[in-house]
Amino acid sequence: NAGVTQTPKFRILKIGQSMTLQCTQDMNHNYMYWYRQDPGMGLKLIYYSVGAGITDKGEVPNGYNVSRSTTEDFPLRLELAAPSQTSVYFCASSYGLNTEAFFGQGTRLTVV
Amino acid sequence: QKEVEQNSGPLSVPEGAIASLNCTYSDRGSQSFFWYRQYSGKSPELIMFIYSNGDKEDGRFTAQLNKASQYVSLLIRDSQPSDSATYLCAVPRIDSGGGADGLTFGKGTHLIIQP
Repeated sequence: NAGVTQTPKFRILKIGQSMTLQCTQDMNHNYMYWYRQDPGMGLKLIYYSVGAGITDKGEVPNGYNVSRSTTEDFPLRLELAAPSQTSVYFCASSYGLNTEAFFGQGTRLTVV
Repeated sequence: QKEVEQNSGPLSVPEGAIASLNCTYSDRGSQSFFWYRQYSGKSPELIMFIYSNGDKEDGRFTAQLNKASQYVSLLIRDSQPSDSATYLCAVPRIDSGGGADGLTFGKGTHLIIQP
């Protein structure tokens, strides 16, 4: 019973590098989300998707891009990494609007 | 800007006592409320949700909702050291068109249960 799977778990990037955080879910959820969590702060929504082919910006989208070609996958792309993107990134999915969100294990990203 | 406010703590409670965690929210249209527990270095996991005014009990956990006061709380009875974690209050974000765009989270309350 995999749920939401994120890879990698840890990554160190140099300033200006790019990378893709992978996220896949096997619960057939329409809604998927990317959050970032900085120390002592709540989770901030980066991007979300309400179904395959549909994505939209959340609260803090600058410096990120997403795509949703299938129901299962929702990768997050970081272009030109900056130290301000050092954070823990969580992917999540949910069945509906007012239902529980299930979270992946998180990716701890450091930009140096 | 829709806000969810929590006291960041730490809240220190003796083992066996009742831990009371509080959350206020700004959007009067909010319909559902979630409490997540997050252990250090782990991902959030749902422990309670509540939609209606009043109390909802699940084992040692009770969620209380007062929509008139825009206040939701979580009580943990017979607190155990394993309850030591950060507790996040979350409310669905609803845009002007009634669509979903994720959850708004509070910053979380760090709870410490003292043996």
